[in-house]
Amino acid sequence: GENVEQHPSTLSVQEGDSAVIKCTYSDSASNYFPWYKQELGKGPQLIIDIRSNVGEKKDQRIAVTLNKTAKHFSLHITETQPEDSAVYFCAASAFGDYKLSFGAGTTVTVRA
Amino acid sequence: GAVVSQHPSRVICKSGTSVKIECRSLDFQATTMFWYRQFPKQSLMLMATSNEGSKATYEQGVEKDKFLINHASLTLSTLTVTSAHPEDSSFYICSASTGGGGGELFFGEGSRLTVL
Repeated sequence: GENVEQHPSTLSVQEGDSAVIKCTYSDSASNYFPWYKQELGKGPQLIIDIRSNVGEKKDQRIAVTLNKTAKHFSLHITETQPEDSAVYFCAASAFGDYKLSFGAGTTVTVRA
Repeated sequence: GAVVSQHPSRVICKSGTSVKIECRSLDFQATTMFWYRQFPKQSLMLMATSNEGSKATYEQGVEKDKFLINHASLTLSTLTVTSAHPEDSSFYICSASTGGGGGELFFGEGSRLTVL
């Protein structure tokens, strides 16, 4: 089955700086890579996703890059704000298979 | 994005009792829903896949008699924790897909179960 590894487990950044979280996956059949943000006591919220037919996708301060050859994808948050503090999870699945394999999560703390 | 609602958000029960958690897709029909369990500071662990009108598919190690799943309609799936014990205390989260093979999953707000 798919194995998704996520690094770092914790990340502390100064407000205004950038944050980068990296994930690797094992199954070459995976072609859908979403990122979720989870705030304390709440369910995960889809913030951005990317499919294997593109290498990069951007939505305002958030961007995701994908390297299918190396089987890794990354989340980039620019101009971080205190409200970006949360746990972020990467995930992977194959097209049509909604069963997601999650990374272990990254706790991001943005220092004011 | 699509909205998935879970109820209750918090529940406290006595050991030995059963607890039902509901998961509803509010603005779309969900043929498939998923139930996850999350321990503190850990990732989401898939428990089972719930398919409308058929039996749920459980992940290895998940007791199907302990965690009963019913997906009676295209907008509602329920998870019943039977004869709950303190070790069943956890954060339970459901998710649903809008379909179309796109892969997008939307999650409910989660239900915090505490078994005394």
